[in-house]
Amino acid sequence: NAGVMQNPRHLVRRRGQEARLRCSPMKGHSHVYWYRQLPEEGLKFMVYLQKENIIDESGMPKERFSAEFPKEGPSILRIQQVVRGDSAAYFCASSPPLSYSGHTIYFGEGSWLTVV
Amino acid sequence: DQQVKQNSPSLSVQEGRISILNCDYTNSMFDYFLWYKKYPAEGPTFLISISSIKDKNEDGRFTVFLNKSAKHLSLHIVPSQPGDSAVYFCAASARNAGNNRKLIWGLGTSLAVNP
Repeated sequence: NAGVMQNPRHLVRRRGQEARLRCSPMKGHSHVYWYRQLPEEGLKFMVYLQKENIIDESGMPKERFSAEFPKEGPSILRIQQVVRGDSAAYFCASSPPLSYSGHTIYFGEGSWLTVV
Repeated sequence: DQQVKQNSPSLSVQEGRISILNCDYTNSMFDYFLWYKKYPAEGPTFLISISSIKDKNEDGRFTVFLNKSAKHLSLHIVPSQPGDSAVYFCAASARNAGNNRKLIWGLGTSLAVNP
């Protein structure tokens, strides 16, 4: 499967615990994006990363949320001390290096976080 | 400030007829536009895109039209099929000061194609 791989697909955490969501980009893609979709809402941009570099984190909440894309391994979205309002679908997307021809990104199947 | 607007939250169409989904934008620096389709419990799937140097792009049953002067684009699906029932997201892209691109998304239009 050469697509964007996200795991886990479903994650249940108690309030105060940590959630870690992983994303492996498509082969050949060096850019990773994280989006969040809250119930009954559209896609909200969170963060855009290259390997070992955060390009744009303007959509990340100021506290408890962090993201990384290390030189080796998947990108990780980490949510510390989760609260019920963090319950959402988290989508990862990837793209090849930027080009003048456009900017198509490809999504994974999503990770559904439920905070109880 | 919603730079990309999909003003119709939902649309219902009869099978075999044309579906027209609309999208308006405010930023004249956008130079690339995309449509994605999303089924429940799945990630968005890229559908079709258009560069600002064109006014039309066609791929099978899907055609995207771009009217730069009106800052408006539309996705036409003809003929519509029940399997097209999904949420459709419009997205726009521009290069920023750091020479990076960022997609700005609409809130989506839920299309229901009735048999």
